[in-house]
Amino acid sequence: EAQVTQNPRYLITVTGKKLTVTCSQNMNHEYMSWYRQDPGLGLRQIYYSMNVEVTDKGDVPEGYKVSRKEKRNFPLILESPSPNQTSLYFCASSPPTGGADGANVLTFGAGSRLTVL
Amino acid sequence: AQSVAQPEDQVNVAEGNPLTVKCTYSVSGNPYLFWYVQYPNRGLQFLLKYITGDNLVKGSYGFEAEFNKSQTSFHLKKPSALVSDSALYFCAVRVFSGGYNKLIFGAGTRLAVHP
Repeated sequence: EAQVTQNPRYLITVTGKKLTVTCSQNMNHEYMSWYRQDPGLGLRQIYYSMNVEVTDKGDVPEGYKVSRKEKRNFPLILESPSPNQTSLYFCASSPPTGGADGANVLTFGAGSRLTVL
Repeated sequence: AQSVAQPEDQVNVAEGNPLTVKCTYSVSGNPYLFWYVQYPNRGLQFLLKYITGDNLVKGSYGFEAEFNKSQTSFHLKKPSALVSDSALYFCAVRVFSGGYNKLIFGAGTRLAVHP
């Protein structure tokens, strides 16, 4: 089954304790992205990757890091989490974002709910 | 600024009645528009998209959306709502920013269908 898998689904942690949320896709997609979802704000993009070893900041990158060493994996790293990073996080992937038909039809993971105390 | 707006936080409708979830956009050039749905404890799922052509786009689960260029709107519709349609709906528009195409999402509209 074609899917994007995120782990963990739920996590409660404390301020300053480094954590990593993993994301893996099995569709051989070039493009991957991380979003955070907050009430009243919709989805905001944190980081994205156009392909292996190509990553760039989205709209709200502060406090986050990513890497893309393999095509299928795109982990999100919080080096020193703070309470304002309490949120619902989604990883998504798609074929290349250029072009018309099919572009930007994202496949999303089930989400990771993070609470930072 | 390029943006997408969903003016209603929540829409309530009785089962069997038609439903509309509103979306307006502001982009330069021709818009590429999308609707996604989020069921509880699930990720977002693609419903439908408008790229070009017929203004009425049909998608999954009996949903359709009407593109209106003069009103810069892309409202989601369904002729007869089901309780199982209750979910969070997101409108999105593709924009070209920072050298690549990206999606900007609206804040979401919660649809509640009552038996």
